[in-house]
Amino acid sequence: EVQLVESGGGLVQPGGSLRLSCAASGLTFSSYAMSWVRQAPGKGLEWVSGISGSGGSTYYADSVKGRFTIFRDNSKNTLYLQMNSLRAEDTAVYYCAKEVYNSGWPDDAFDIWGQGTMVTVSS
Amino acid sequence: QSALTQPRSVSGSPGQSVTISCTGTSSDVGGYNYVSWYQQHPGKAPKLMIYDVNKRPSGVPDRFSGSKSGNTASLTISGLQGDDEADYYCCSYAGSYTFVFGGGTKVTVL
Repeated sequence: EVQLVESGGGLVQPGGSLRLSCAASGLTFSSYAMSWVRQAPGKGLEWVSGISGSGGSTYYADSVKGRFTIFRDNSKNTLYLQMNSLRAEDTAVYYCAKEVYNSGWPDDAFDIWGQGTMVTVSS
Repeated sequence: QSALTQPRSVSGSPGQSVTISCTGTSSDVGGYNYVSWYQQHPGKAPKLMIYDVNKRPSGVPDRFSGSKSGNTASLTISGLQGDDEADYYCCSYAGSYTFVFGGGTKVTVL
């Protein structure tokens, strides 16, 4: 069974940094592109960032470009999101999600999601 | 990267059908056959219900179906059941390996 487990969320002050992790199991991790999707309290889903299976290509929503960095360690089956210069509007539950096809590129849909980790940006 | 447009809510009685629309542009919904739909119950992670416009993952009932015409995609739930009450989000590939979601639709079973 494929499982994704996020960790690393918490309370951080505006301007601060946080690193999220997503541990994957039950799949050939390097074959699949991965994404981070967030959901602000009471709001809808927002795609944040994606990464190719090899980790060599990364993609970002305009709202986080230049502040967030996605990367992965395929030897540890783990996806990461480094979040810097955090703002109040980054407060959300952050989900990692697996691409449905093993093309290695984030270009279709997300068939497996983690349980999410809450990030709160507040002073 | 503007959000796709969905109705805020739809409702129906058990056994009836409901359809949720998802309107985008030629740069997302209209430009690719990579529209997906997600069901989300309160406090839970989203669940993939439809991908590639009209494909159902294993385990998703055939009461759920998807379609697309031009810049608008649709999700139809037939034979509405109590457990179908949830939020539903559409999502489209938007080119350059980016995605855009809809604002979400709350489905209420009367």
